Amino acid sequence: GAGVSQSPRYKVAKRGQDVALRCDPISGHVSLFWYQQALGQGPEFLTYFQNEAQLDKSGLPSDRFFAERPEGSVSTLKIQRTQQEDSAVYLCASSLGIAADTQYFGPGTRLTVL
Amino acid sequence: QQPVQSPQAVILREGEDAVINCSSSKALYSVHWYRQKHGEAPVFLMILLKGGEQKGHEKISASFNEKKQQSSLYLTASQLSYSGTYFCGTESYPGGSNYKLTFGKGTLLTVNP
Repeated sequence: GAGVSQSPRYKVAKRGQDVALRCDPISGHVSLFWYQQALGQGPEFLTYFQNEAQLDKSGLPSDRFFAERPEGSVSTLKIQRTQQEDSAVYLCASSLGIAADTQYFGPGTRLTVL
Repeated sequence: QQPVQSPQAVILREGEDAVINCSSSKALYSVHWYRQKHGEAPVFLMILLKGGEQKGHEKISASFNEKKQQSSLYLTASQLSYSGTYFCGTESYPGGSNYKLTFGKGTLLTVNP
């Protein structure tokens, strides 16, 4: 079956532009996560959805970052007024359950802010 | 708090064994292990749960010492395909959750012919 997909795979933005990153989780997966991965580092948690409810957004670095999952499947991570420090790979993961379950990762979107 | 992985990097010849360690300063619900190849998604290897339950789907073994808040991943008879960066992700308490993973900085494993 299909895994987690993300689009676009690569995004180049000029400083100050808004960007939107899309995640299509595995069908039927209740939980959806967004992570930010800097070069040479492990993924860092950004936010968590259980169905359409955003239960945890403690990892979002600033109020320029928003995430939504309005129908409990596809999710969008939006970054407003991008800054150079936003450059990273943004990973989406989904899991079937809600606790201590396998998280399946997408290939990520590499964002470069010039 | 971020778990600490060791070693940071290891180079093996095909067929050799390796151990990758992950330690936390907080009590752990679970430890998740992933392998990531350059430019690709992290791939699930194994979950170790508090109480001893272990879930995985590859021929890789691991241990979880709850008292020491440590986990080790054992790679035996390494193959070229084992090359990549290995990450442990932990769910911890107090102050943690039963869903949020905190990842270490990774261990770069290179297997040469």
